[in-house]
Amino acid sequence: EIVMTQSPATLSVSPGERATLSCRASQSVSSNLAWYQQKPGQAPRLLIYGASTRATGIPARFSGSGSGTEFTLTISSLQSEDFAVYYCQQYNNWPKLTFGGGTKVEIK
Amino acid sequence: EVQLVQSGAEVKKPGESLKISCKGSGYSFTSYWIGWVRQMPGKGLEWMGIIYPGDSDTRYSPSFQGQVTISADKSISTAYLQWSSLKASDTAMYYCARPTSVAGIDYWGQGTLVTVSS
Repeated sequence: EIVMTQSPATLSVSPGERATLSCRASQSVSSNLAWYQQKPGQAPRLLIYGASTRATGIPARFSGSGSGTEFTLTISSLQSEDFAVYYCQQYNNWPKLTFGGGTKVEIK
Repeated sequence: EVQLVQSGAEVKKPGESLKISCKGSGYSFTSYWIGWVRQMPGKGLEWMGIIYPGDSDTRYSPSFQGQVTISADKSISTAYLQWSSLKASDTAMYYCARPTSVAGIDYWGQGTLVTVSS
């Protein structure tokens, strides 16, 4: 099973600042990596797929990069609605998908 | 509009059985896999398993193999997650989701909260 590790577990950021979240795979997943945002009481929402392609309706301040085993989600200028938990997920080992443990982005 | 609509919250006792559902609409139900995701209270997302309603091909995450049963009834565009004997540790929110092999999970159900308590 491919293990996904996210860091940091919690990221404290001020509104308007940049946030950089990391995700590492235990083996190469090529670019088959997605990022999700989850707010309290809500289902997750797809932000990025293919490591760097924004899903429909996702603002340009969200960007993804990386391939192989190292991936990054960057939020260029945090808005109040961006404070949430973010998960990465690999789907390279289809249909055995795995999630990372999540990074909580909180207000500093 | 693609929608995945899940059944309502459940409160059960340990040892009881349970089957929760996820009805798909707005797309060809038999042409996409449907998966289930567990989220225990205050914890992260865990991939449980997946089914292809077109031919009922089912795969389980190792952690959930033998613990739950995933099924689907394509005649009513509905997928199911079933337990034969619930434990307190099954208390969680369960989401159904529509994953693709090229773009992650593009649609999610609203979640079904399962509470198991004596």
